Amino acid sequence: QVTLRESGPALVKPTQTLTLTCTFSGFSLSTSGMCVSWVRQPPGKALEWLALIDWDDDKYYSTSLKTRLTISKDTSKNQVVLTMTNMDPVDTATYYCARMVPGRIGDYHLDYWGQGTLVTVSS
Amino acid sequence: SYVLTQPPSVSVAPGQTARITCGGNNIGSKSVHWYQQKPGQAPVLVVYDDSDRPSGIPERFSGSNSGNTATLTISRVEAGDEADYYCQVWDSSSDHPGVFGGGTKLTVL
Repeated sequence: QVTLRESGPALVKPTQTLTLTCTFSGFSLSTSGMCVSWVRQPPGKALEWLALIDWDDDKYYSTSLKTRLTISKDTSKNQVVLTMTNMDPVDTATYYCARMVPGRIGDYHLDYWGQGTLVTVSS
Repeated sequence: SYVLTQPPSVSVAPGQTARITCGGNNIGSKSVHWYQQKPGQAPVLVVYDDSDRPSGIPERFSGSNSGNTATLTISRVEAGDEADYYCQVWDSSSDHPGVFGGGTKLTVL
């Protein structure tokens, strides 16, 4: 079965760089059509899509965070890594990774999610 | 980037039908996906491609999409359906393709 799990620091200081790892099983990111996205959710607020990497190593980013985000994959380890630079208290959120797959007309949806990891930004 | 608009809250009595809308410019030309999120839990996909249900999702959950509005319909609402619901599209023509609506809190009275 498909599973995803996020890992990384629970607490980071302002201006530091956050590195999160998504370790998954049950599928391969080398399979055509497979993608992994990162989504975050500040406490009490809505979901926010951050980034996606696909089987062909194409990458897409949130325009508002593009300068701060980098997504990469290690297919042999079944891992996707997200880095976010210059962290600020407003970046405090639960960060989720999720598998993203294409639908009937190629539009992507998130069919399996990790449990999320809460990252707090505070000095 | 593309904007999706949801009502902040919807209330319904048990056994009745809940309808949660998701508005967007010509959203009928896109595929709309819906997620249910209960407190402290990760989101769960309940409808994809406007009206398809993943395995394990009850038939009470259905979706439609036309014009500028997509709708998630929950029939015979149960107390366990109380949750936040989010719509999502993939706007492939945009440089910010992943878009979520602001979420709707469904309250079962």
